[in-house]
Amino acid sequence: EPEVTQTPSHQVTQMGQEVILRCVPISNHLYFYWYRQILGQKVEFLVSFYNNEISEKSEIFDDQFSVERPDGSNFTLKIRSTKLEDSAMYFCASTSGTEVAEQYFGPGTRLTVT
Amino acid sequence: GNSVTQMEGPVTLSEEAFLTINCTYTATGYPSLFWYVQYPGEGLQLLLKATKADDKGSNKGFEATYRKETTSFHLEKGSVQVSDSAVYFCALAGPTGGGNKLTFGTGTQLKVEL
Repeated sequence: EPEVTQTPSHQVTQMGQEVILRCVPISNHLYFYWYRQILGQKVEFLVSFYNNEISEKSEIFDDQFSVERPDGSNFTLKIRSTKLEDSAMYFCASTSGTEVAEQYFGPGTRLTVT
Repeated sequence: GNSVTQMEGPVTLSEEAFLTINCTYTATGYPSLFWYVQYPGEGLQLLLKATKADDKGSNKGFEATYRKETTSFHLEKGSVQVSDSAVYFCALAGPTGGGNKLTFGTGTQLKVEL
């Protein structure tokens, strides 16, 4: 069964450093998403991406964040200058869009900013 | 905006007990409703969904009915097993077709003991 994959599973970085989180969505899917979950809190939407552009973003997704689909298979989330409060589990998701919002999630990347 | 409220956890039950996890929502129009499950160390998996009022979603013995009059989507299972131990998330997506972001509740941890 096709699945969404994410790398790395755990990333530790120092405050102020840039990180790139990588995702490979399901191959025939058209919509891509990033969510995050701070420990003990709810899963929060960050950004959605369709047709090679951002379709919606939350207030969390400020100028420090960017997304890219560089090669037709990978979907990346970049944080330019990490802050302590960026420590969270980051989930990538994708959907074909043909069924109402049935999104398939990856296993997540745990980002720890020290 | 959209929001989801679900009962606080953790919930601890004995095997074969009846499970109810309450979920209520606030949304404009007619959203689609979902239950996702997160097993330890894994990503979010879609458990069941309902896309219109009075629809009942069901999977693996779990079920939930979309109640527009009470804006609720409570998750139930008649007889839980130890393997059901996980975190359960109620979520909704806007009514405007595919590609919509998910809005999640805070999650309810379920622990089933022998």
